This record gives sequence, C-alpha cells and structure tokens, in this order.
Amino acid sequence: AQSVTQLDSHVSVSEGTPVLLRCNYSSSYSPSLFWYVQHPNKGLQLLLKYTSAATLVKGINGFEAEFKKSETSFHLTKPSAHMSDAAEYFCVVTLSGNTPLVFGKGTRLSVIA
Amino acid sequence: EAGVAQSPRYKIIEKRQSVAFWCNPISGHATLYWYQQILGQGPKLLIQFQNNGVVDDSQLPKDRFSAERLKGVDSTLKIQPAKLEDSAVYLCASSHWGSGRASTDTQYFGPGTRLTVL
Repeated sequence: AQSVTQLDSHVSVSEGTPVLLRCNYSSSYSPSLFWYVQHPNKGLQLLLKYTSAATLVKGINGFEAEFKKSETSFHLTKPSAHMSDAAEYFCVVTLSGNTPLVFGKGTRLSVIA
Repeated sequence: EAGVAQSPRYKIIEKRQSVAFWCNPISGHATLYWYQQILGQGPKLLIQFQNNGVVDDSQLPKDRFSAERLKGVDSTLKIQPAKLEDSAVYLCASSHWGSGRASTDTQYFGPGTRLTVL
C-alpha cells in the first residue's frame, strides 16, 4: 500500500523568501509522485509530477521537487515566495497507470507581506 | 480544452434527505474518479470508473452512496439518506486510460461540490 506523510500542517514564510514543503512517501513499488495545489474555493491544480524520469522535477509557477529514493522524500521548493502562492498543498502518491491517488493531509502555506 | 465540470457547486440539505451530484469529465477521458474531501483532510477516493464500468469502489459506503456512469461519459454520485458526517467537498476527476505510466497518470479535477448536511 502507498502512503504519504506531509511533515508540516502549516508553513508561514515572508514574501520573497524560499519555500520548503516536506513530504515523505511509502510505497511497495516504484511510485509516481505529485504535488497538487488548492486555492480557497478552487479545484485542485497539478503543480508537478515525478514518474521515474529525471529526479529533479520542475513544475508551474517556479516550483520544483526532488525525488530522493534513499530518503523516501519528495520535498517541494520555490526560491522566492509570492503572495499568490498562499494555498493548501497536497503531496500525492500512486502506482503506475490509472490507479487512485493517495493524498497526504495537506500543508497550508501562508505568505506574509 | 474544457476542464472537468461539476454541479451544483454548493448544496445544503438536512440529514436523512437525498442528494445527487453531477460530473462531466474532459472529453476523451475514459477514467473518472469521485473523491470525498472532509474539511482539513486530503481527498479520499470513493469510486473509480473505466468507461462505464467500476474499477474500484472499495471505499464507497454502499449502504447510502451510489454512483453510475452511463454511456461512459457523465457520472452522477448519490447519497441517500445523508448523514451529518457526509458534509464534505465531493471532487470529480478524470484521466486518459493508457497501458503505460509515462503520461497517463495525471488526473484533472473539477471545482467540487460543497455539501453541508444539517
């Protein structure tokens, strides 16, 4: 079975400073990993995904994540936070193909002006 | 391309009433999912369809929840009778169906239906 643990329920950063959202995964097989973002009253939007190609994955809006098998981690980073980045972020794991997504509990990112 | 459409966006009902949600996936997407997102938690899968057949409904409370996907396109999710703990956002997602993992894993989500049971 697959699972993800998001290590922080809430992260607060100042605008213009780096963002780090932490995620550890557990999977019996080589997983596919995703980060989704959810703005208030909006649907889930895919930020980036890892599917066993390059371990450093670049996504939209300047976000990137690095797959580290030895650490079973898939942390999300951004060099400089913007006010519009304030949202809920979900780390997600799945197996290949069209299997259901398993979501973490989410990390709420606050950006302070 | 148009995204996943859901309606209604909001619904308020009393416990023991029934309610139905509708989803129209992205055109050409064979796989459709319904997720339940309780406040403060990540979404949890309720049911997965491949065309109009059920692939996985192990997490669906079948005594009160039902879902169908007629003609392999639109889908409806019904709750009858509703309980207080059913208050949540119900998300519909769709994806392509493919034999490989490379580019077919991405699920696209609709805006969700927020259900409040009083």
